[in-house]
Amino acid sequence: EAGVTQFPSHSVIEKGQTVTLRCDPISGHDNLYWYRRVMGKEIKFLLHFVKESKQDESGMPNNRFLAERTGGTYSTLKVQPAELEDSGVYFCASSQGTANTEAFFGQGTRLTVV
Amino acid sequence: GNSVTQMEGPVTLSEEAFLTINCTYTATGYPSLFWYVQYPGEGLQLLLKATKADDKGSNKGFEATYRKETTSFHLEKGSVQVSDSAVYFCALRGRGYSTLTFGKGTMLLVSP
Repeated sequence: EAGVTQFPSHSVIEKGQTVTLRCDPISGHDNLYWYRRVMGKEIKFLLHFVKESKQDESGMPNNRFLAERTGGTYSTLKVQPAELEDSGVYFCASSQGTANTEAFFGQGTRLTVV
Repeated sequence: GNSVTQMEGPVTLSEEAFLTINCTYTATGYPSLFWYVQYPGEGLQLLLKATKADDKGSNKGFEATYRKETTSFHLEKGSVQVSDSAVYFCALRGRGYSTLTFGKGTMLLVSP
């Protein structure tokens, strides 16, 4: 069974450009999470989807970030326009069922804004 | 709010040395506690967990005990291997919640 996959693995863009990250969760997992690790800091929660609905988006840093999960399958996270402080590793995770089930993480997308 | 503090790295050890990575937390109620590991080029993997006080999580020779009185969940291994070189993250999840709160991560480097 395929795990959580994220595309691209690396992205280098200039300040002001737009970048879209994609996450394919494990098939059948209703819960999908985005997290971000800025260099040297904690991995921080961004948002949580249950199927196609945003359950919790309290961690989204500002309105330059837009996450979607049309059809409740894969998710995209768009940053527009990107700023230098958006650089970091973006992780996606998915889980099945209730709050106590294990979340499985992808490899992450390393975003560098120059 | 919830927070996790873990020791700064990198931790550099020789093979077969004893490992301790300290982790303390602040949380309301009784969270579940986790250690995740990220090997080079890979994603985060759950290493072990404990869901209530005095529980001991263990996996691959690693252990951590949920200490409510000291709000700690220190990771230990009796004899590390070169293949244990990775970044280790301590995390908690509030009871009834599904999102995780992570520490900053501790890089472990094990030399032959």
